[in-house]
Amino acid sequence: NAGVTQTPKFQVLKTGQSMTLQCAQDMNHNSMYWYRQDPGMGLRLIYYSASEGTTDKGEVPNGYNVSRLNKREFSLRLESAAPSQTSVYFCASSEEQGFGYTFGSGTRLTVV
Amino acid sequence: RKEVEQDPGPFNVPEGATVAFNCTYSNSASQSFFWYRQDCRKEPKLLMSVYSSGNEDGRFTAQLNRASQYISLLIRDSKLSDSATYLCVVTNTGFQKLVFGTGTRLLVSP
Repeated sequence: NAGVTQTPKFQVLKTGQSMTLQCAQDMNHNSMYWYRQDPGMGLRLIYYSASEGTTDKGEVPNGYNVSRLNKREFSLRLESAAPSQTSVYFCASSEEQGFGYTFGSGTRLTVV
Repeated sequence: RKEVEQDPGPFNVPEGATVAFNCTYSNSASQSFFWYRQDCRKEPKLLMSVYSSGNEDGRFTAQLNRASQYISLLIRDSKLSDSATYLCVVTNTGFQKLVFGTGTRLLVSP
């Protein structure tokens, strides 16, 4: 009963480096999401995938790209990391729109 | 203006106290409403949905006032384990994505 699994849990990057955050769910959910959480800002939606094969921008997509590899996996890529991308990143999935969100345990990313 | 606004707190209360949190939302077309709970350095988890008729789950009562675009959460007989951040959440229009408030921190002391 893993739910939503995110890797890695912690990462330190240098400015300009690239990396991919991985997310996988085993609940056969259609929709998946990437949020970032910063102090005083709450969780903000970066990208989402309503269903396999589709992706759409959220509130703060600049500097990120995503891939919905299959129904289970939704990855988030930082092509050229910037200190402003230091944050905690949460992946989530849901069976239907707006309901039953299950979150992963998060990735703590620091860009120096 | 933020789409969902909450008092950040912290609310410091003794065990056994009753505490209430409020939240306002700006999009009158929002259709669904929730309270999530987030423990320190953990992921958010659904606490309860919020309905216009009000709903109760044990010590927790949630209310929605659509006319005032206002959501509340009441916790009775607070426990130490209730210490957490409570996130007010609404869905936006179109594809129903969750929009989160910044959270209200609750600290329950012995």
